[in-house]
Amino acid sequence: DIQMTQSPSSLSASVGDRVTITCQASQDISNYLNWYQQKPGKAPKLLIYDASNLETGVPSRFSGSGSGTDFTFTISSLQPEDIATYYCQQYDNLPLFGQGTKLEIK
Amino acid sequence: QVQLVESGGGVVQPGRSLRLSCAASGFTFSSYGMHWVRQAPGKGLEWVAVIWYDGSNKYYADSVKGRFTISRDNSKNTLYLQMNSLRAEDTAVYYCARVRCSGGSCSDAFDIWGQGTMVTVSS
Repeated sequence: DIQMTQSPSSLSASVGDRVTITCQASQDISNYLNWYQQKPGKAPKLLIYDASNLETGVPSRFSGSGSGTDFTFTISSLQPEDIATYYCQQYDNLPLFGQGTKLEIK
Repeated sequence: QVQLVESGGGVVQPGRSLRLSCAASGFTFSSYGMHWVRQAPGKGLEWVAVIWYDGSNKYYADSVKGRFTISRDNSKNTLYLQMNSLRAEDTAVYYCARVRCSGGSCSDAFDIWGQGTMVTVSS
């Protein structure tokens, strides 16, 4: 079975900072990797699909990169409304989510 | 607008059953694969089950295999999750989610989610 390791589990940053979250798969998953944002009490929201494609309507400060086993999610300039938990999700086989990264404002 | 609305959650005793529904609107439901994803209180997201657009294939997480059944009625634009032999560890918010399709190609990126329905398994 594929394992997903997402890090860090929590992160504190200042408004305007560049924020990076990583996700590592235990085997090659090509580009079958998506990123979601979840705010408290809300359903997740798709931000990035197929590793690097920005979903329609998502601000361009969000980006994703990587292929194979190593993936990166970046917020180029953190905004107050970006406070949320972020999840990676692979779908090379059956879908599997990473453990999540809780992002807080410093 | 494109929308998914779950219903059917509640409090149920261990070992009992519950059926969740997910009503779709604003898109051609019969063209999309659908998933259930759950989230235990204070925990991360856990994928539960998938059903293809025409109901021809279904897959389950090991944690629910043999106890949960995913189904759909395309004439009613509705997705279901029949949950039997419920356990305390099934306590969670259950979301239905649509696969992302573009240009005739679909992938297991979940672009539309419902608001979730809470299931609590407790005696």
